[in-house]
Amino acid sequence: GNSVTQMEGPVTLSEEAFLTINCTYTATGYPSLFWYVQYPGEGLQLLLKATKADDKGSNKGFEATYRKETTSFHLEKGSVQVSDSAVYFCALCSNDYKLSFGAGTTVTVRA
Amino acid sequence: DSGVTQTPKHLITATGQRVTLRCSPRSGDLSVYWYQQSLDQGLQFLIQYYNGEERAKGNILERFSAQQFPDLHSELNLSSLELGDSALYFCASSVQDLGTDTQYFGPGTRLTVL
Repeated sequence: GNSVTQMEGPVTLSEEAFLTINCTYTATGYPSLFWYVQYPGEGLQLLLKATKADDKGSNKGFEATYRKETTSFHLEKGSVQVSDSAVYFCALCSNDYKLSFGAGTTVTVRA
Repeated sequence: DSGVTQTPKHLITATGQRVTLRCSPRSGDLSVYWYQQSLDQGLQFLIQYYNGEERAKGNILERFSAQQFPDLHSELNLSSLELGDSALYFCASSVQDLGTDTQYFGPGTRLTVL
């Protein structure tokens, strides 16, 4: 079946630091890959997505590249802000329509 | 604001009871998905409807059921509630039912079973 493994948190960074959250997946076929973000007390928001190999998704300074050869979709941001503090979920969607999520990584950015 | 609305925002009830959670998808979206988020199991897909018909089922208990109405809103019914059913329940919607579609999530309903 489909599964997503992402690095465990929590991750604590200082403002302007570089952020990487690793995500690898197992799936049949050619899944679409997503990063969702959940701010405290809120629902999930789509951060970015990629629907085929070598696609790069980007939004709000975050980037992730769909790497089929390594089955990975690592999230990166060059300079984080306090407002980036949230829980980040890597997810995939394959032919079975449902999103399969990773466990989530809690990121805290200190001023 | 994703455009997906869920009511109620919070629900507190007792074991053995039955509750109904309601979801209105974004305007124009035909697919509705239900997810459960709990501390021990993370985010789990429960069920999907597309244009009124059940399309996919995940880890949904037999005590739980859902439906999508002609106006495309959906309801998730949880019965014979147990303490372990306490969780955040999210509804999401998408335009169609393709794997490439973005699913837009509502703010969730927090269910507490005492």
